[in-house]
Amino acid sequence: GAGVSQSPSNKVTEKGKDVELRCDPISGHTALYWYRQSLGQGLEFLIYFQGNSAPDKSGLPSDRFSAERTGGSVSTLTIQRTQQEDSAVYLCASSLVTAGGYNEQFFGPGTRLTVL
Amino acid sequence: AQKITQTQPGMFVQEKEAVTLDCTYDTSDPSYGLFWYKQPSSGEMIFLIYQGSYDQQNATEGRYSLNFQKARKSANLVISASQLGDSAMYFCAMREGGGSYKLIFGSGTRLLVRP
Repeated sequence: GAGVSQSPSNKVTEKGKDVELRCDPISGHTALYWYRQSLGQGLEFLIYFQGNSAPDKSGLPSDRFSAERTGGSVSTLTIQRTQQEDSAVYLCASSLVTAGGYNEQFFGPGTRLTVL
Repeated sequence: AQKITQTQPGMFVQEKEAVTLDCTYDTSDPSYGLFWYKQPSSGEMIFLIYQGSYDQQNATEGRYSLNFQKARKSANLVISASQLGDSAMYFCAMREGGGSYKLIFGSGTRLLVRP
């Protein structure tokens, strides 16, 4: 079946502009996650959605970052007034949430964001 | 406080030999899970292996095994019979209990398999 998809694959924007990144999770996965990976670094958690529960926003670095998940499926990560330090690869993942299961996260290919 | 530590930024291994990638973690939660992911140069994250904190036996998945030493808080990945295609970044990650399924990642180890 289809994996996690993300769009666009690459985004170049100017400092101060807003950007929207899209994630389409695996069908049936109730949990959706956003991570950020700066060049040569590990992944940094941003936000997590699970079903109808309030999202865990504890990783969002500033109030310029927001995300929503509509209808329990597609998610959009929005970065307002982009800064050069926002340049990174933004990775989306999804998983099942089952008692006793690994619930491993399946990752999309990422969106490479470059802020000039 | 850093919760996942990977102390080897880069490792070399000869093809067909075994290699161990180190991972230590820190948590006060008795219920947690440990994951290893592989990230080739193409960028995708590939799940390799999982170890639950209550699992009695070390996890194994094909050529991958996890050397889980709970008292030492270490979860080292062992790759046996290395192949050229194993050259990649490897990330250790932890999921704590408490209802959030987010992962905390280490900084990664870049493995290069020499022919």
